[in-house]
Amino acid sequence: EDKVVQSPLSLVVHEGDTVTLNCSYEVTNFRSLLWYKQEKKAPTFLFMLTSSGIEKKSGRLSSILDKKELFSILNITATQTGDSAVYLCAAKSGGGADGLTFGKGTHLIIQP
Amino acid sequence: EADIYQTPRYLVIGTGKKITLECSQTMGHDKMYWYQQDPGMELHLIHYSYGVNSTEKGDLSSESTVSRIRTEHFPLTLESARPSHTSQYLCASSDPTGISYEQYFGPGTRLTVT
Repeated sequence: EDKVVQSPLSLVVHEGDTVTLNCSYEVTNFRSLLWYKQEKKAPTFLFMLTSSGIEKKSGRLSSILDKKELFSILNITATQTGDSAVYLCAAKSGGGADGLTFGKGTHLIIQP
Repeated sequence: EADIYQTPRYLVIGTGKKITLECSQTMGHDKMYWYQQDPGMELHLIHYSYGVNSTEKGDLSSESTVSRIRTEHFPLTLESARPSHTSQYLCASSDPTGISYEQYFGPGTRLTVT
């Protein structure tokens, strides 16, 4: 059974701190790993990673994939209160239902 | 910005009622998906479609049914709602012709069955 595990499940930091969110996965015929930010309703897309060791960057957010160790990290530097959200990691496999297997998410709270 | 819509956004309904959750997208995507998400829990795929007249069940067993008569429309139906169906339902679509596996999500329908 495909599985995605995120840690920590919740994290409270102060504005300006740097945070690292973790995601490990076990999926059949792994294709790619995706990160989403979910605030109140639908998840919004952040990154898609398919190759090991290549960092994807968007502003203060960056992410990298390690296909040998089966994990990914999402870094957020100089955090702001607007970064408060649930960050979801999802793995896409080549078989089965063709959807994504999601982790439970990391609930990140940025305190002013 | 992705154009995928869900209605209603919130629904409170009594046990035994038949309900249909609407999902439509204007991007011409062939693949569409329904996910169910309980508060604080992960998303689970309950239905997906590769295109018109294609529907498949997802990883999580669901008593709901779906149909895909038009590319842009992927409604989900519960014939007889029960309190156990209370959850958030998210619709998504993706473009299989590109290399990206990105799925675009609708705003979701929060269903409460009393």
